[in-house]
Amino acid sequence: AQTVTQSQPEMSVQEAETVTLSCTYDTSESDYYLFWYKQPPSRQMILVIRQEAYKQQNATENRFSVNFQKAAKSFSLKISDSQLGDAAMYFCAYQGPGTYKYIFGTGTRLKVLA
Amino acid sequence: NAGVTQTPKFQVLKTGQSMTLQCAQDMNHEYMSWYRQDPGMGLRLIHYSVGAGITDQGEVPNGYNVSRSTTEDFPLRLLSAAPSQTSVYFCASSYRGVPTDTQYFGPGTRLTVL
Repeated sequence: AQTVTQSQPEMSVQEAETVTLSCTYDTSESDYYLFWYKQPPSRQMILVIRQEAYKQQNATENRFSVNFQKAAKSFSLKISDSQLGDAAMYFCAYQGPGTYKYIFGTGTRLKVLA
Repeated sequence: NAGVTQTPKFQVLKTGQSMTLQCAQDMNHEYMSWYRQDPGMGLRLIHYSVGAGITDQGEVPNGYNVSRSTTEDFPLRLLSAAPSQTSVYFCASSYRGVPTDTQYFGPGTRLTVL
């Protein structure tokens, strides 16, 4: 069975600095998708970024980028120039081929210090 | 577009009571799903639907029923509530449920079972 692990329950970063959130996963599939979702205090889950396993190039969305290491089954999220509005829970998620099921990690709470 | 709406926002039940959590979307999405979020456990898929009349079980379906009579609505029923069902419940939808479709989440329902 596929699993997603986020080993950092909580992280802190100074405003304007860079922070990296870690995610590892386990799968026997070769084609799949990985996602990072943000959940601010409002509880509304928002998609931050997605990566297809077949694409070697790391996905980027403005200040958010990923470091996708397929062989190591690692998918970390880098947030550059951190802002107070980035404070939230961040969830890593996996979706395998031919399935409608998402598997989420346990989340990392990010605090941004002014 | 209202997006994904959920009612109620908060609910307190006594053990053994039944209730229905409502979820609706106005984006003509075929795929809808229900998750529960518990502290330290991330989001876990309860049930999902890929179209009107089609539902399937997720990771934690026991104690919950769903039906999908229209494209817009996907209610979640608790037939006999138990304290273990105390959680925050999220409904989500996407166009087809495939990884390239963005999944939109509702604001959540906080349920407490006494």
